[in-house]
Amino acid sequence: SYELTQPPSVSVSPGQTASITCSGANLGDKYTSWYQQKPGQSPVLVIYQNNKRPSGIPERFSGSSSGNTATLTVSGTQTMDEADYYCQAWYSSVVFGGGTKLTVL
Amino acid sequence: EVQLVQSGAEVKKPGDSLKISCQGSGYSFTNFWIGWVRQMPGKGLEWMGIIYLSDSDTRYSPSFQGQVTMSADKSINTAYLQWSSLKASDTAVYYCARLYSSSSNFDYWGQGTQVTVSS
Repeated sequence: SYELTQPPSVSVSPGQTASITCSGANLGDKYTSWYQQKPGQSPVLVIYQNNKRPSGIPERFSGSSSGNTATLTVSGTQTMDEADYYCQAWYSSVVFGGGTKLTVL
Repeated sequence: EVQLVQSGAEVKKPGDSLKISCQGSGYSFTNFWIGWVRQMPGKGLEWMGIIYLSDSDTRYSPSFQGQVTMSADKSINTAYLQWSSLKASDTAVYYCARLYSSSSNFDYWGQGTQVTVSS
């Protein structure tokens, strides 16, 4: 079975840039999506097709993918961005990464 | 507006059966797959499977094959997830989500159903 690996936690100061990585075999050949989940809430899609933002997602969220790694970047991070973030790709079935807790402090 | 509305929280005993639901509105339900995702307390998202609402074609994660059953009633735009004999380890929040096939991502999510299994 395939796995997507994320760092358990990332910390960033308000206004700075946070980068969250997601690693998996040949991930650059697939579409990666990213979801934000705040405590007690359902996940929200923030990036799809590696670098596209759904309507209503702030421009400070961006994504990229190359080789075996996809990256979610949050520019000018705000306290409201503190959440768990999950990457997801399709390897003949759905695969989620283990999640990264983004702390803004 | 696309919405997925899930059934309410459940408290069950080990060995009980259970069926939870996910009703879609605001889009053509039968043109999409619906996925089910488990989140155990304090843990990450786990994909359980997907079901195509038009013909009830199903794909299960190997981890959940034989443990749960997905079904659908397209006449009422509703997908179901059921257990025949619950275990304490089934305690979790279960989400349904719409799969956008062309980019293989879940674009809309239900509010989640808390299932608690305790003697």
